[in-house]
Amino acid sequence: GAVVSQHPSRVICKSGTSVKIECRSLDFQATTMFWYRQFPKKSLMLMATSNEGSKATYEQGVEKDKFLINHASLTLSTLTVTSAHPEDSSFYICSARKRAGGSDEQFFGPGTRLTVL
Amino acid sequence: AQTVTQSQPEMSVQEAETVTLSCTYDTSESDYYLFWYKQPPSRQMILVIRQEAYKQQNATENRFSVNFQKAAKSFSLKISDSQLGDAAMYFCAYRRTQGGSEKLVFGKGTKLTVNP
Repeated sequence: GAVVSQHPSRVICKSGTSVKIECRSLDFQATTMFWYRQFPKKSLMLMATSNEGSKATYEQGVEKDKFLINHASLTLSTLTVTSAHPEDSSFYICSARKRAGGSDEQFFGPGTRLTVL
Repeated sequence: AQTVTQSQPEMSVQEAETVTLSCTYDTSESDYYLFWYKQPPSRQMILVIRQEAYKQQNATENRFSVNFQKAAKSFSLKISDSQLGDAAMYFCAYRRTQGGSEKLVFGKGTKLTVNP
């Protein structure tokens, strides 16, 4: 298998501040990582595809200036929620794509619960 | 655009019994991947099983097996000898194999309860 970590696991912030969430592939290199948002009792909604060394590709309706994604290395992608508001409160999940030995699979991080007061 | 439909928001099963979760999808592609993911209360997404569309044989992983009907675009998950630890949200997902889009398209999920 493969391990993907997220940090922090939980964060509470004041409205108007920015929050950075890190996604790391611990034992493999990931040229592609994905960021999802999940509301309570709902499915995962893809926000953006993060490609190492290039700009992220955002899904329709996702504000790229609000949700900044940086994929600076083959093992790290970050999601920054800028000027957070209570409606940004959610569970954010990342996944990393591992391609090796003919297999091609996504591995998920444990998620980050963001609460904006 | 591809869509994935899970028509059962909730299902329940008695411990040690068998349960089948339904999933249908819509695509014009001939080659793709299908997945079942489990999300327990911890919220960690766990891959349960995957199926490559070009393979006619149904995938199996221990107590988990699928019934893949390509013509009907159906991909159901069967859990045999259900255990309390199987209680979770189960998501069916689709992914293209070509065309550069590696993103997963998820269904809305089925909440599985296992009764002792």
